[in-house]
Amino acid sequence: GAGVSQTPSNKVTEKGKYVELRCDPISGHTALYWYRQSLGQGPEFLIYFQGTGAADDSGLPNDRFFAVRPEGSVSTLKIQRTERGDSAVYLCASSLQAGGSYGYTFGSGTRLTVV
Amino acid sequence: TQLLEQSPQFLSIQEGENLTVYCNSSSVFSSLQWYRQEPGEGPVLLVTVVTGGEVKKLKRLTFQFGDARKDSSLHITAAQPGDTGLYLCAGGWVNNNDMRFGAGTRLTVKP
Repeated sequence: GAGVSQTPSNKVTEKGKYVELRCDPISGHTALYWYRQSLGQGPEFLIYFQGTGAADDSGLPNDRFFAVRPEGSVSTLKIQRTERGDSAVYLCASSLQAGGSYGYTFGSGTRLTVV
Repeated sequence: TQLLEQSPQFLSIQEGENLTVYCNSSSVFSSLQWYRQEPGEGPVLLVTVVTGGEVKKLKRLTFQFGDARKDSSLHITAAQPGDTGLYLCAGGWVNNNDMRFGAGTRLTVKP
């Protein structure tokens, strides 16, 4: 597709459940980023991939969060044992290559609500 | 904790007025980007600046990167209701390939 696609657009889950959020980047973009945005805040960095490997996962809040990008294209963010504090909009972005000289293209996000 | 501080946090003005919003940090950036975000959407890139003192213009928007590459400003001339949105700055560092965002300035332009 022409843009970054994120599915689902909305997800409501019960506390303690497992969720997967999917990101389909722009074709040919080697770098992929996950951010989390809470109400009234800017995007908070979680993890980024260069190709298939996680180049920087320092933003993942704890070991309940994990992300993969097995073929260097689609990425999945996985959250185990969800907590109410995980509720936020999860944003995915891609860029041609990693580095601040390349602008990011964001998806519309997945709004996760943990009840 | 946001490494980038944006001010003001909120700004409400009348159509036709000029405004400036700011992005500041104690860190030196290798690059800095400005984005605009509307409700229910992801941020959209407006500009990337990489050279200290650099000025870029995008129609009625003027972006400046500080000489020391620690700060940036966005000036909008003759604001229009379509400029309403959350303006975010994001900085990148040498040897670090991901961008970190400020909390944003929420701009409302009233007709």
